[in-house]
Amino acid sequence: SQTIHQWPATLVQPVGSPLSLECTVEGTSNPNLYWYRQAAGRGLQLLFYSVGIGQISSEVPQNLSASRPQDRQFILSSKKLLLSDSGFYLCAWKQNTEAFFGQGTRLTVV
Amino acid sequence: GDSVTQMEGPVTLSEEAFLTINCTYTATGYPSLFWYVQYPGEGLQLLLKATKADDKGSNKGFEATYRKETTSFHLEKGSVQVSDSAVYFCALSDHQGGSEKLVFGKGTKLTVNP
Repeated sequence: SQTIHQWPATLVQPVGSPLSLECTVEGTSNPNLYWYRQAAGRGLQLLFYSVGIGQISSEVPQNLSASRPQDRQFILSSKKLLLSDSGFYLCAWKQNTEAFFGQGTRLTVV
Repeated sequence: GDSVTQMEGPVTLSEEAFLTINCTYTATGYPSLFWYVQYPGEGLQLLLKATKADDKGSNKGFEATYRKETTSFHLEKGSVQVSDSAVYFCALSDHQGGSEKLVFGKGTKLTVNP
């Protein structure tokens, strides 16, 4: 069966520090991969999606970036975090019509 | 572009009350429609889906019917329980237009009191 792993579960980082969140999928190949951010009271915002290795589409201009070095690995990064980057980050994979989500990372920038 | 609009929350109901959460969509192609649920501190779980017009998705007593004529996918449950308290998201996936985006509404927080 397919599973999705996202880590860490929680993270507290100072302003200006770098960020790396990792997401891996098992049990499937060539999935579409997504990064979402859920800020308090603002719903789910699509940040990046990828349809294949090295292919990244950005939905919202910001100081975040994403990479897909392997078929089932999707990384969300930042060189310098801002206070406004705080939120709940969710990774998801989709094949055909249905999407499956990781457990999320609660990021607090202080 | 594709978008999903769902009713603003929060929604507070008593146990055994009837629930409706409205959802309408805009899409360039022929989307699949979904309802996801998020329990406190967790990721999203698929609740139900419908892939074509007039399909009815159902799960755990929840239902939603894909209405192409009104571009709607309203979520209903006849008798809610305290354990249904969560945030509910309506979403669409428009694969016909070549886009692989999965677009969500802003979510509706439901609280069910005993």
